[in-house]
Amino acid sequence: AQSVTQLGSHVSVSEGALVLLRCNYSSSVPPYLFWYVQYPNQGLQLLLKYTTGATLVKGINGFEAEFKKSETSFHLTKPSAHMSDAAEYFCAVRPLGDYKLSFGAGTTVTVRA
Amino acid sequence: GAGVSQSPSNKVTEKGKDVELRCDPISGHTALYWYRQSLGQGLEFLIYFQGNSAPDKSGLPSDRFSAERTGGSVSTLTIQRTQQEDSAVYLCASSPGDSDNEKLFFGSGTQLSVL
Repeated sequence: AQSVTQLGSHVSVSEGALVLLRCNYSSSVPPYLFWYVQYPNQGLQLLLKYTTGATLVKGINGFEAEFKKSETSFHLTKPSAHMSDAAEYFCAVRPLGDYKLSFGAGTTVTVRA
Repeated sequence: GAGVSQSPSNKVTEKGKDVELRCDPISGHTALYWYRQSLGQGLEFLIYFQGNSAPDKSGLPSDRFSAERTGGSVSTLTIQRTQQEDSAVYLCASSPGDSDNEKLFFGSGTQLSVL
């Protein structure tokens, strides 16, 4: 079974600072990789995904993530945090040809003024 | 509506009672998922429906949990003889069902509290 590890259940950053959320997966074959975000009182929505091709993926709201096969990682970054980025972020993986999406435990981001 | 709709948004019940949670997926989406979100534990897969195929029930935690999907659209998740550990947010998601890398569209969830 796929395993997804998100390092750090809570991250606090200052407005304008770098946001870095870590995600590692356990699989010998790279799966499809996703980041979802859950804003307060809203449903989860897709931030970005990696399927094939370019390993640096850009998503909505200025976020991007880089797939590193050698490190089995898919870390999410944003150069400059905004107050509106306060939310819970979930890394998720899906094996190729499968339909089951496995999620990490989530990382809550707070942004300090 | 345009999105995935879940009802009720909140449900408080007494231990031992049965509850039904409803999900209306996006029209035309053949794939439907149920997940459970517990505090600090991420999202736990419960069950998956795809078209007319037999559902994947491998994530249901016990035989008190069941789900059905009528007419390939609306789905109901039923929890019998609820226990306090069933308290969580139950999320429904749907997707077109065309590709194994497509995104899921999530509802806002049902917050279940078992007293």
